[in-house]
Amino acid sequence: ELKVEQNPLFLSMQEGKNYTIYCNYSTTSDRLYWYRQDPGKSLESLFVLLSNGAVKQEGRLMASLDTKARLSTLHITAAVHDLSATYFCAAYGKGAQKLVFGQGTRLTINP
Amino acid sequence: DSGVTQTPKHLITATGQRVTLRCSPRSGDLSVYWYQQSLDQGLQFLIQYYNGEERAKGNILERFSAQQFPDLHSELNLSSLELGDSALYFCASSIESEHTEAFFGQGTRLTVV
Repeated sequence: ELKVEQNPLFLSMQEGKNYTIYCNYSTTSDRLYWYRQDPGKSLESLFVLLSNGAVKQEGRLMASLDTKARLSTLHITAAVHDLSATYFCAAYGKGAQKLVFGQGTRLTINP
Repeated sequence: DSGVTQTPKHLITATGQRVTLRCSPRSGDLSVYWYQQSLDQGLQFLIQYYNGEERAKGNILERFSAQQFPDLHSELNLSSLELGDSALYFCASSIESEHTEAFFGQGTRLTVV
């Protein structure tokens, strides 16, 4: 059964710093998603990673996928307060045909 | 705005009651997915419909059921409600059956009292 684990679950950082959120998944998956969720709001799609070695960047966020290690990372560069949110990764389990989410990482960026 | 519309936004009901949540997918999307988000269980996949047919099933309780209509909108029916069913219920839609990229609605917050 596909399981997805994120770490850390809580991250408090200062503006201007860099940090990485890790997402491990337990069985083969052919795609990995990153979402952002603001409190009480919906999930906003950030990245879809479809192949080994895929790297995507949008602004201060960069996501990568290593299918051999079953690991995806979300790297935040020079954090700003507006990036404060909960970030979820999710892996698609083709056998089960469903998206399995990690626990989420609550990111707080302090001025 | 993702283009996925969910109604109602908020729902408060008593234990034992039955409610229906509605989802209109983005124009052109054939797949609808339902998810439940709660503090203790996180985000869990419930069920998927593709072009009117059930495609995949997740951790959906027997008290819950869903359907997708010919106009592609979907309804999630929750019955014999319990306090633990209080959660945020999301609907997502995608063009294909395999969740290549799905767009989430704003959610329905269900509170069972």
